[in-house]
Amino acid sequence: QITLKESGPTLVNPTQTLTLTCTFSGFSLSTSGVGVGWIRQPPGKALEWLALIYWNEDKRYSPSLNSRLTITKDTSKKQVVLTMTNMVPVDTATYYCSHWDMIGVAGFEYWGQGILVTVSS
Amino acid sequence: SLELTQPLSVSVALGQTASLSCEGNNIGSKNVHWYQQRPGQAPVLVIYRDTNRPSGIPERFSGSNSGNTATLTISRAQAGDEADYYCQVWDVITVVFGGGTKLTVL
Repeated sequence: QITLKESGPTLVNPTQTLTLTCTFSGFSLSTSGVGVGWIRQPPGKALEWLALIYWNEDKRYSPSLNSRLTITKDTSKKQVVLTMTNMVPVDTATYYCSHWDMIGVAGFEYWGQGILVTVSS
Repeated sequence: SLELTQPLSVSVALGQTASLSCEGNNIGSKNVHWYQQRPGQAPVLVIYRDTNRPSGIPERFSGSNSGNTATLTISRAQAGDEADYYCQVWDVITVVFGGGTKLTVL
């Protein structure tokens, strides 16, 4: 059974750096074809993809946010960490992490519950 | 970069068929995935690689993809199908989501 859970601060001051952790179980990030992605959703708005890291350390970022994002993984801890610098109020959103398998389903089949991050002073 | 266009809202009568479109340049050459999101919940994958249903998704959900339009079809619509639906593709090396369609079951 695959599960994912996001953790981190729920309130961030403007200009600060956000660090979110995705802790997962039921799969290994050393398995060929597997990845973990981050997607966010501002209140009442659409889904927006942020970043994805593959089993082989390959990383992909949203072009519009590339300069502010860093994604890393700790395979042994079963964690993926996303950092986003210079947070501003429009970054207020629910942040989700999700399992990706490019060989199998090739969609985001398993999602965490999400964490609502508010950017405000 | 590729943009995916979805109608903001679609309405369907209870028990009838709803067709939700996702338009993008030559989207037919890509694998399209569809997600259902009920209020306050995380998205759920309902169709992957254009036409495939994950385990546990009813047969009432089907997909197609050709040319510049992908379509999610929901047959015999139920009240529980009322949700936001998003299409998603890979565009070269980035993930792209459509803007989402709110499905209302009347």
